[in-house]
Amino acid sequence: EAQVTQNPRYLITVTGKKLTVTCSQNMNHEYMSWYRQDPGLGLRQIYYSMNVEVTDKGDVPEGYKVSRKEKRNFPLILESPSPNQTSLYFCASSPGTIYNEQFFGPGTRLTVL
Amino acid sequence: AQKITQTQPGMFVQEKEAVTLDCTYDTSDQSYGLFWYKQPSSGEMIFLIYQGSYDEQNATEGRYSLNFQKARKSANLVISASQLGDSAMYFCAMRVTGANSKLTFGKGITLSVRP
Repeated sequence: EAQVTQNPRYLITVTGKKLTVTCSQNMNHEYMSWYRQDPGLGLRQIYYSMNVEVTDKGDVPEGYKVSRKEKRNFPLILESPSPNQTSLYFCASSPGTIYNEQFFGPGTRLTVL
Repeated sequence: AQKITQTQPGMFVQEKEAVTLDCTYDTSDQSYGLFWYKQPSSGEMIFLIYQGSYDEQNATEGRYSLNFQKARKSANLVISASQLGDSAMYFCAMRVTGANSKLTFGKGITLSVRP
């Protein structure tokens, strides 16, 4: 089944404790992206990757890191989480053109205390 | 910069009736894609329908159709024969060449279907 998987689905952590949210897709997509969703703000892009070893900042990259060592994986790293990073996070992937929908993972609900 | 505007705060529709969810967009690009996603209370993002800027016909997918009016820069979603399972948040989004190839989302519209 074609899908984007994320883990964990739910996470409660404390300020400053490094964490990684994994994202994997099995559709051989070049493009992958991370979004965060906050009430009243819609979804905003954090980081994106056009292909292996090619990553760049989105609209709200502060406090996050990513890597793309393999085509299928695109982990999101929070080196020192803070309460303002409490949010619903989505990983998405798609073929490289704008004429294709992005496939979303199930989301990761993160709470930073 | 790209912008998506969804101004309806919340919509109600009777089961089996049709409903239109409004979306206007702004971009200076000639090539772009318009998308609608559904987010039920469980949280996942479900792709519904796509319209390309050069498509002459309005897109349709089952009970979903997109009323694309390019000159007015609007891309309204029409849901026919509403079902209780259609109750969800609906997001209009746009993708343009460059601009990180990201999806630019509107703030969403909550749809409630009444039995």
